[in-house]
Amino acid sequence: EPEVTQTPSHQVTQMGQEVILHCVPISNHLYFYWYRQILGQKVEFLVSFYNNEISEKSEIFDDQFSVERPDGSNFTLKIRSTKLEDSAMYFCASSEFRGEETQYFGPGTRLLVL
Amino acid sequence: SQKIEQNSEALNIQEGKTATLTCNYTNYSPAYLQWYRQDPGRGPVFLLLIRENEKEKRKERLKVTFDTTLKQSLFHITASQPADSATYLCALSGSARQLTFGSGTQLTVLP
Repeated sequence: EPEVTQTPSHQVTQMGQEVILHCVPISNHLYFYWYRQILGQKVEFLVSFYNNEISEKSEIFDDQFSVERPDGSNFTLKIRSTKLEDSAMYFCASSEFRGEETQYFGPGTRLLVL
Repeated sequence: SQKIEQNSEALNIQEGKTATLTCNYTNYSPAYLQWYRQDPGRGPVFLLLIRENEKEKRKERLKVTFDTTLKQSLFHITASQPADSATYLCALSGSARQLTFGSGTQLTVLP
């Protein structure tokens, strides 16, 4: 069964460093998303991406964040200058564009900012 | 502001019984309501989706109801098994595709 994959599974970085999180969505899906979950808290929406541009973003997704689809398969989330409060699980998700809202999530990347 | 509440943080039931989880929302008119399962350290796994014009949806031992008047969804797992132990998340979406999640209910099925 097709699934969303994410790399790395764990990332440790120093405050102020840039990180790039990688995702490979399900191949025939057209909508892509990033969510995050701080330990013990809710899953929170960051951004959605369709047709090579951002379609929605939350207040969390400020200028420190960016997304990119560099080729036909990868979808990346970049955090330019990490802060301690960016420590969280980051989930990528994808969905088909046929009016069906089901989103399929990857296993996540655990980011720890020291 | 939009608010989603799931009935309790934790629910313990005996194996074989029916687990019923509740999701209530306010200040929201969702087009879709979805239930996901999340195991520790893992991503949410999609279980069921129900649309605003649907009252009930079933899939194997799972059943979801959606009452837009009460602003409530009930999620049932019949003949529960220890393997059903997990956190169950309610998520809503409207005209925008982003999902708004509840904080989840941690279900433990005792053998």
